[in-house]
Amino acid sequence: DAKTTQPPSMDCAEGRAANLPCNHSTISGNEYVYWYRQIHSQGPQYIIHGLKNNETNEMASLIITEDRKSSTLILPHATLRDTAVYYCIVSNAGNNRKLIWGLGTSLAVNP
Amino acid sequence: GAVVSQHPSRVICKSGTSVKIECRSLDFQATTMFWYRQFPKQSLMLMATSNEGSKATYEQGVEKDKFLINHASLTLSTLTVTSAHPEDSSFYICSASLLPSTDTQYFGPGTRLTVL
Repeated sequence: DAKTTQPPSMDCAEGRAANLPCNHSTISGNEYVYWYRQIHSQGPQYIIHGLKNNETNEMASLIITEDRKSSTLILPHATLRDTAVYYCIVSNAGNNRKLIWGLGTSLAVNP
Repeated sequence: GAVVSQHPSRVICKSGTSVKIECRSLDFQATTMFWYRQFPKQSLMLMATSNEGSKATYEQGVEKDKFLINHASLTLSTLTVTSAHPEDSSFYICSASLLPSTDTQYFGPGTRLTVL
């Protein structure tokens, strides 16, 4: 499975867009990019995933570069409740659907 | 949709006792469920993958006789920590896949186990 690299921490002002980067330079053609977040002492929450195209849902947007070596998760209007650890994971559907978790980015949304 | 529950949310037990944790998919059938463990300030570590009606597949270093997993139905998987010791104290989290062909996992709220 491809590995991901994320900054350990980021800050964002409430109401502003939070842009969380992720590098996955060894990603292969059939691997998806997944984003989850974990609020303190809770189970992870699914946010969004994509293969090649940019994706948007009610929570966030996912921008994947054309070479697929990096991506950015965008929270368009961050709120205090978005304070969490955000995990970027690449996953091969053929590998028993395992998700290999790194340390993620700890996002602090400040008032 | 895609709600996963866990019970109990918190358990404290004495060393040497066994503890059972239940994981349920409330509004969908889960062909595959996963069990993770998370120590403080660390990331999630996959313990085992559980398919309904078959034996669980354990990750390297996870003792299958200590962490018993049963996935008897499409909506329920259980993890039993046998003869628990203080070093087993951790945050245990389950997840479930909605469809056989998808990677998207939906997670339960977790169970905090403290072994005295």
